[in-house]
Amino acid sequence: GNSVTQMEGPVTLSEEAFLTINCTYTATGYPSLFWYVQYPGEGLQLLLKATKADDKGSNKGFEATYRKETTSFHLEKGSVQVSDSAVYFCALSPNFGNEKLTFGTGTRLTIIP
Amino acid sequence: ETGVTQSPTHLIKTRGQQVTLRCSSQSGHNTVSWYQQALGQGPQFIFQYYREEENGRGNFPPRFSGLQFPNYSSELNVNALELDDSALYLCASSERDGSYEQYFGPGTRLTVT
Repeated sequence: GNSVTQMEGPVTLSEEAFLTINCTYTATGYPSLFWYVQYPGEGLQLLLKATKADDKGSNKGFEATYRKETTSFHLEKGSVQVSDSAVYFCALSPNFGNEKLTFGTGTRLTIIP
Repeated sequence: ETGVTQSPTHLIKTRGQQVTLRCSSQSGHNTVSWYQQALGQGPQFIFQYYREEENGRGNFPPRFSGLQFPNYSSELNVNALELDDSALYLCASSERDGSYEQYFGPGTRLTVT
């Protein structure tokens, strides 16, 4: 079955540091890949997505590239801010995102001033 | 545009009892998915409803059941509650024939004692 493996946290960085959160997946066919963010006390928000190999998703300074050869979708940001502190989830869907989402366990990110 | 709403926000039940959680879809969305998020874990897919019919189910026992109404709102019912059912229950709505992106509500925190 489908699965997502995420870099274990928690991750603590100083403001303006470079961020990488690793994500690898196992799936048949050609899944769509997502990063969701969960701020304290809130539901999940879609951060970015990629629906086919070599696509790059980007939003709010975050980027992730769909790498089929390494089955990876690592999240990166060049300069993090305190407001980026949240839990980040990598997820996949068998198709375009309307079907069952399979999530990783999440990575808690804390940015210190 | 009204987002996805869920009620109640918090709920405390006793083992063996039954519970009903409610979700109102975002305007224009015809598909609702339910997820269970245990503490410190990623969300797990319970099931999805499309136009009032179940359209996919995860690895959850039959005591987890659902409904979708003509206005596309939805209920999640859990019978014979167990301690392990304590979790955040998330509802997500989407437009099956559109962008496919799932929009999540803030969740209902269920505690079973």
